[in-house]
Amino acid sequence: TQLLEQSPQFLSIQEGENLTVYCNSSSVFSSLQWYRQEPGEGPVLLVTVVTGGEVKKLKRLTFQFGDARKDSSLHITAAQPGDTGLYLCAGLNSNYQLIWGAGTKLIIKP
Amino acid sequence: EAGVTQSPTHLIKTRGQQATLRCSPISGHTSVYWYQQALGLGLQFLLWYDEGEERNRGNFPPRFSGRQFPNYSSELNVNALELEDSALYLCASSPGTGRIDGYTFGSGTRLTVV
Repeated sequence: TQLLEQSPQFLSIQEGENLTVYCNSSSVFSSLQWYRQEPGEGPVLLVTVVTGGEVKKLKRLTFQFGDARKDSSLHITAAQPGDTGLYLCAGLNSNYQLIWGAGTKLIIKP
Repeated sequence: EAGVTQSPTHLIKTRGQQATLRCSPISGHTSVYWYQQALGLGLQFLLWYDEGEERNRGNFPPRFSGRQFPNYSSELNVNALELEDSALYLCASSPGTGRIDGYTFGSGTRLTVV
């Protein structure tokens, strides 16, 4: 069974701090996605990374795909209360299935 | 362009009853995915339909079933409801098998079993 381990499960920090969320697997993925979900809503796609070593930036969010395409990280610089939410990673395997991490619940305190 | 729409938004059922949840994908999308999300937790994959066929099924009992119609909309049926079936049920659509570009979720149906 393919697993995508996401850490930390929960993170509560002050506004202005930096943070990193990790997704790790022993399996190779053809691509990996990051989503953010707010209470009572469906997850919203933030980014898709495809190439090993790829780095994508979305304002204060930086996404990296590992060289071997087995892991990924999300780094947020100068976190703001609007960044609060559940962050989910999902990897696409060779059977065209999305394998989901368990999520990181992020709270940014003003 | 309309997004993925799910109905109803909220559903309250009694233990032992049946629930039917509906999903309309984005126009042009042929794949529909169903997920269960217990309160505050991650997504548990339920079912995947593409072009009217069931492509894959998660680790759920047979009382969770569904279908996809010729217009690519989909239904999720949950029979013999149990209290632990209470969750947010999310539907997502994508352009087709292997295509996760444009993978989009609906806002979900909150099912409460009492």
